[in-house]
Amino acid sequence: EAGVTQFPSHSVIEKGQTVTLRCDPISGHDNLYWYRRVMGKEIKFLLHFVKESKQDESGMPNNRFLAERTGGTYSTLKVQPAELEDSGVYFCASSPATGRRGSATGELFFGEGSRLTVL
Amino acid sequence: DAKTTQPPSMDCAEGRAANLPCNHSTISGNEYVYWYRQIHSQGPQYIIHGLKNNETNEMASLIITEDRKSSTLILPHATLRDTAVYYCIVRPGSNFGNEKLTFGTGTRLTIIP
Repeated sequence: EAGVTQFPSHSVIEKGQTVTLRCDPISGHDNLYWYRRVMGKEIKFLLHFVKESKQDESGMPNNRFLAERTGGTYSTLKVQPAELEDSGVYFCASSPATGRRGSATGELFFGEGSRLTVL
Repeated sequence: DAKTTQPPSMDCAEGRAANLPCNHSTISGNEYVYWYRQIHSQGPQYIIHGLKNNETNEMASLIITEDRKSSTLILPHATLRDTAVYYCIVRPGSNFGNEKLTFGTGTRLTIIP
């Protein structure tokens, strides 16, 4: 079974440019999460999708960040325009729907992350 | 979610048991203790979780004190591949399906050859 995959693994852009990160969750996982770690800080929650709906987007830092999950499969996180402080590693995670097999542990399955460098 | 306190770093000799402590003195009755780890350049990885009973799986054991105010993650025979940052996270068990995990600074465990 394929795990959570993220693209690109590393992106280097200039301040003011746009970057789109993509996450493919584990097949069949209704829950999809975005987290990020900026330099020297802790891993922080950004938002949570249940299928295509945003369940919780309380961690989104500002309106330069836009997350979508059309069709309830893969998700994209767009940063427009990027700022220097957006540099960091963006993690995507997925988990099964509550009540489904494997959901009882509350385990999140994380991808390898997308490293974003804004110059 | 309850706050956790962990030592910033620990060393352990290869082949020995690594015991990672975590304090969560403000934990409430419906909150679980979770452990994740992050190996360098990888995403966080789930290790184990528990409510009040001790738990064991193929990766580790989790010992939770009777008052639930602290716990210890035990890696029974540490290998070099266990070098990572280990996170102790407390979260409610009532909202499985909304895993808004709160990561702290964790413990950086270094396995010494």
